[in-house]
Amino acid sequence: EEQLVQSGAEVKKPGESLKISCEGFGFSFSSYWIAWVRQMPGKGLEWMGIIYPADSDTKYGPPFEGHVSISADKSTSTAYMQWNSLKASDTAIYYCARQIKVGGGNWPFDLWGRGTLVTVSS
Amino acid sequence: IVMTQSPATLSLSRGERATLSCRASQSVSSNLAWYQQKPGQAPRLLIYGASSRDSGIPARFSGSGSGAEFTLTISSLQSEDSAIYYCQHYSIWPSTFGQGTKLEI
Repeated sequence: EEQLVQSGAEVKKPGESLKISCEGFGFSFSSYWIAWVRQMPGKGLEWMGIIYPADSDTKYGPPFEGHVSISADKSTSTAYMQWNSLKASDTAIYYCARQIKVGGGNWPFDLWGRGTLVTVSS
Repeated sequence: IVMTQSPATLSLSRGERATLSCRASQSVSSNLAWYQQKPGQAPRLLIYGASSRDSGIPARFSGSGSGAEFTLTISSLQSEDSAIYYCQHYSIWPSTFGQGTKLEI
């Protein structure tokens, strides 16, 4: 069965660092672009960025560039998102999602993880 | 590219037809997808390419439009269709989502 398995919920303080993960099962992880999508409490979906695990080519949405870092390890079929200094406004559910098509181009997402809830509070 | 959905909330009865709209601030050709999200769940892809249903999506869901104006139609509402529906363009990076339409049955 194809699935994306995300790491568990996190509770952090402002200024702390964090790295969350998304592991793919049942498909050729390296061959698909994997995106991260933010959903703040009670709000809509925000496209944060995307990575191609085969060569780690990465693109960021303008609001997120410089604040998060997206990476991937194709040997373990895992994508990561990292913060060096969290803010209270980073409190959200973070989803990873796979593009529907193999290889290049910009496509919608047909496979989603269950989300990682990140709570940042002093 | 800014995606604007309307209405914000739609309240209808079982068996009725729902029409949800999505407008792009510039042409996105047919690079438009629709998702359904229920409380506590990840989004689910319904439609891509403006009108192609993803695998396993019931035929009562249909999409139309091109350029900058798009519509998601649910032909005969079921109680399980209560959810928030999002449109997303993927014509260029970064992709963006609309703010969502909450459908109440």
